[in-house]
Amino acid sequence: DVKVTQSSRYLVKRTGEKVFLECVQDMDHENMFWYRQDPGLGLRLIYFSYDVKMKEKGDIPEGYSVSREKKERFSLILESASTNQTSMYLCASSLFNYGYTFGSGTRLTVV
Amino acid sequence: AQSVTQLGSHVSVSEGALVLLRCNYSSSVPPYLFWYVQYPNQGLQLLLKYTTGATLVKGINGFEAEFKKSETSFHLTKPSAHMSDAAEYFCAVSGLDDKIIFGKGTRLHILP
Repeated sequence: DVKVTQSSRYLVKRTGEKVFLECVQDMDHENMFWYRQDPGLGLRLIYFSYDVKMKEKGDIPEGYSVSREKKERFSLILESASTNQTSMYLCASSLFNYGYTFGSGTRLTVV
Repeated sequence: AQSVTQLGSHVSVSEGALVLLRCNYSSSVPPYLFWYVQYPNQGLQLLLKYTTGATLVKGINGFEAEFKKSETSFHLTKPSAHMSDAAEYFCAVSGLDDKIIFGKGTRLHILP
């Protein structure tokens, strides 16, 4: 089975900290995605990548950046964490239009 | 541009009854359509997908969905609900760019 592993299930960070969320997939998928999930708002796309060193902004990229130095790893970076970035963060990978495989999510709390 | 509308943020059915979760989509290109399920504190799991071909799609756990182009719908059904089906369900659409647009979700409650 394809596995997408997110490094932390729960994180608590302080306002202003730089935060790294790591995501690794083991099935050689080209495409990787970061979403955040909030009650009543559903899933919103933050950034995505179709290839190594490539990144594209999604619908809500402000306050975030990403890194994809290797095909299997896609990192989400919160440059200076703020309380409005408290959320569930979901990473996914895919082959084109076969559907996404999601990680278990990271619940981030910024205090 | 693509969008998804899920009718009803909460749906309750009795155990053993028919499950029907409604989804309508909008897409300017032939759509790829998906249903995902999310259990508490977990990521999303793919239930089923429509790409091309047969319009009735069967998925895991006894769920199925029918693509109706004329109605721009992709409703999810299951003949007999089980307590373990209680979860949140997301309908989703993508085009050629593999960027999936998700609906806001429907939480399914199963009544004993």
